[in-house]
Amino acid sequence: IAGITQAPTSQILAAGRRMTLRCTQDMRHNAMYWYRQDLGLGLRLIHYSNTAGTTGKGEVPDGYSVSRANTDDFPLTLASAVPSQTSVYFCASKKEGRGTEAFFGQGTRLTVV
Amino acid sequence: GDSVTQMEGPVTLSEEAFLTINCTYTATGYPSLFWYVQYPGEGLQLLLKATKADDKGSNKGFEATYRKETTSFHLEKGSVQVSDSAVYFCALTESGGSYIPTFGRGTSLIVHP
Repeated sequence: IAGITQAPTSQILAAGRRMTLRCTQDMRHNAMYWYRQDLGLGLRLIHYSNTAGTTGKGEVPDGYSVSRANTDDFPLTLASAVPSQTSVYFCASKKEGRGTEAFFGQGTRLTVV
Repeated sequence: GDSVTQMEGPVTLSEEAFLTINCTYTATGYPSLFWYVQYPGEGLQLLLKATKADDKGSNKGFEATYRKETTSFHLEKGSVQVSDSAVYFCALTESGGSYIPTFGRGTSLIVHP
């Protein structure tokens, strides 16, 4: 089934540890995004990539990094986790263009303790 | 920058009641407008969209009309069901540039039998 797969689905992480959230899509979409969802704050963009080999910073990039080595994969890395990074993380992808819809993964629930 | 403002929730209704969720936007160009729905424990999925002024998007009994003069895209449904209970997000994708989706904070809808 075509779509976006995120892993893991949930994780409890000790503060200071490094963690990579994985995201893979099989729709050949050029654009990919990472958002975090927090109660009362909605979805906030962390990083994005318009095409393989390029990335950009979103609204809340501090403490996160991404890479886009190929079209399908867009991992998000927390170099040294802090409790404020406790959140639900969503990866999304879409075709180019302003009228195209975004497709979302199921999310990763991360708790930093 | 671009932004989307939604009415605060939660919105609590009885089954078969009329639903309106207000959404207004600020954009420098000519955006496309979207409503996404998030059911518990899931990622967002597209509910409907409109790409130009006066267009009406519709799906599953939900409707929204692109009003450029009032910069609004209010979501309506004539008769809600318990199964409509979810979080609804208004979003835009700007014309020109990176076409990054910008989301409102979401409105929780609770429908009682």
